[in-house]
Amino acid sequence: KQEVTQIPAALSVPEGENLVLNCSFTDSAIYNLQWFRQDPGKGLTSLLLIQSSQREQTSGRLNASLDKSSGRSTLYIAASQPGDSATYLCAVNKETSGSRLTFGEGTQLTVNP
Amino acid sequence: GAVVSQHPSRVICKSGTSVKIECRSLDFQATTMFWYRQFPKQSLMLMATSNEGSKATYEQGVEKDKFLINHASLTLSTLTVTSAHPEDSSFYICSVDHGETQYFGPGTRLLVL
Repeated sequence: KQEVTQIPAALSVPEGENLVLNCSFTDSAIYNLQWFRQDPGKGLTSLLLIQSSQREQTSGRLNASLDKSSGRSTLYIAASQPGDSATYLCAVNKETSGSRLTFGEGTQLTVNP
Repeated sequence: GAVVSQHPSRVICKSGTSVKIECRSLDFQATTMFWYRQFPKQSLMLMATSNEGSKATYEQGVEKDKFLINHASLTLSTLTVTSAHPEDSSFYICSVDHGETQYFGPGTRLLVL
């Protein structure tokens, strides 16, 4: 059974700092991995999706890496801003047709002005 | 990304009543939708996979007679929590299967008194 773990569970940083969120998964036979953002009381917004054949994806100040063989992914946020405060969830998809996501517990990020 | 709506966004009901939550895919047809449940400060737990025109597939431990799912059209899936009790209070989120990823609705907060 796939298990996804995210470290740290919570993180508080001053504005402007660069930071790294970690995600690990137990079964390396994944099709893709995705990072989501969730604001309090809201649904999920997809940030980055990395295919199993890729090593990283970038979008603006966000960079996600994937080391499939070791079962790890990181989300790097550059020059953090208070608006980045949210919970960040990683999810792995094992299916090659369609999607079936297994989520981590999330990292609650607070960026202080 | 795709637009997914949920209605209602928030509902408060008395113990013993039934509550219906709607999930709509607004800009494309979806044969598969997913229903998740999220407790405070926890991750999303998949409850069931909703399949258009056929029975839903429930995850282990989820009571199908308590959480009724109907996917009568390619744009609408409904989740009915029957005879709701306080322990059913939670955040319910639906998503739409879109190939290798999912698009999520904004969630429905259910409070059972």
